[in-house]
Amino acid sequence: NAGVTQTPKFQVLKTGQSMTLQCAQDMNHEYMSWYRQDPGMGLRLIHYSVGAGITDQGEVPNGYNVSRSTTEDFPLRLLSAAPSQTSVYFCAIRQEATGELFFGEGSRLTVL
Amino acid sequence: EDQVTQSPEALRLQEGESSSLNCSYTVSGLRGLFWYRQDPGKGPEFLFTLYSAGEEKEKERLKATLTKKESFLHITAPKPEDSATYLCAVHSGNTPLVFGKGTRLSVIA
Repeated sequence: NAGVTQTPKFQVLKTGQSMTLQCAQDMNHEYMSWYRQDPGMGLRLIHYSVGAGITDQGEVPNGYNVSRSTTEDFPLRLLSAAPSQTSVYFCAIRQEATGELFFGEGSRLTVL
Repeated sequence: EDQVTQSPEALRLQEGESSSLNCSYTVSGLRGLFWYRQDPGKGPEFLFTLYSAGEEKEKERLKATLTKKESFLHITAPKPEDSATYLCAVHSGNTPLVFGKGTRLSVIA
């Protein structure tokens, strides 16, 4: 999907474990973001970044940590996973000129 | 605060039965309204961007229109392969996109 690669595609964690969802782009866009998608809730923004070294919180940031050391990568860290974080996570990049978002294929996370 | 409401939540059509999906929005200074299609297990796929009231865009059996308060996604003579969830999102100012909850479309042969 438009040069956005997410890994892993599937992950099962136990409560309290930590993990990192990876997002990489090859389109040199400044804006990158993480969404979670839950049934009946739609897409909700977790964190976003407008460039290397700059991150900001979205609608549902609690329990998640991000950093942006390069233009290409925007990892999402769960420091202590909780069952409420069971969800499908999408990374998206934005084309600056048009505002259009392009999404990765998603990472399905289950926390037991 | 930007808000987006999509209706209906779910829509079931017979093949060939045309209909419309609605996206109502409240924003301060619309910079763009976006339509996406999402298939099960996949990421949302970009369809259209509309920038100003009166604008229309078409792609195969889909046509998107925009007024100052809402957007419609018209589906003409749908086929089973049009079955998907359709998402609407708005962009205003320097804020991130705000998405609606989507309309789940099923087209029955």
